[in-house]
Amino acid sequence: AQSVSQHNHHVILSEAASLELGCNYSYGGTVNLFWYVQYPGQHLQLLLKYFSGDPLVKGIKGFEAEFIKSKFSFNLRKPSVQWSDTAEYFCAVLSGGSYIPTFGRGTSLIVHP
Amino acid sequence: SQTIHQWPATLVQPVGSPLSLECTVEGTSNPNLYWYRQAAGRGLQLLFYSVGIGQISSEVPQNLSASRPQDRQFILSSKKLLLSDSGFYLCALEGEGANVLTFGAGSRLTVL
Repeated sequence: AQSVSQHNHHVILSEAASLELGCNYSYGGTVNLFWYVQYPGQHLQLLLKYFSGDPLVKGIKGFEAEFIKSKFSFNLRKPSVQWSDTAEYFCAVLSGGSYIPTFGRGTSLIVHP
Repeated sequence: SQTIHQWPATLVQPVGSPLSLECTVEGTSNPNLYWYRQAAGRGLQLLFYSVGIGQISSEVPQNLSASRPQDRQFILSSKKLLLSDSGFYLCALEGEGANVLTFGAGSRLTVL
């Protein structure tokens, strides 16, 4: 069965710092990859996704993620975080042929102004 | 556009009481629907999913059940709640982009 690991459970940064949240998955076949974000008091929503093509994908609010197949990774990055990026971030993986995504445990990001 | 309505938004129930959480969707037909439970530090746990009316698959054995009496309605139930059922329950549908989930606002259940 697919498993998803998010290595950082809690991250605290100051504004303008760079961000990288790790995500690794276990299944080695065809995958669709996602990052979802839950801002305080808001719905969980899609931040970005990778299905195929360019392994560097860009999402909303300046976020990007890179799919590295050899490392089974899909790390989320942002060069300069803002206070409004404070949220919980979830990595999710959809294995080929499945319609049930597997989610990581989530990373709580706090950005101090 | 696709929207999900969940209610109640918050619920406090005694141990042993029944539960019914409702999820209805708009703007789509024959969606795949999901119930997740979100617990702090434990991510999102898939509880049930449904690919059509009356079709329910359970991912985790427990005292919860789900039903889909109509195409756009997905209900999470329990006959007798346990303390461990406390949590934040999210309904989701497979969404506007294939394989992308759209989530509802959630229902926070506290069992006392």
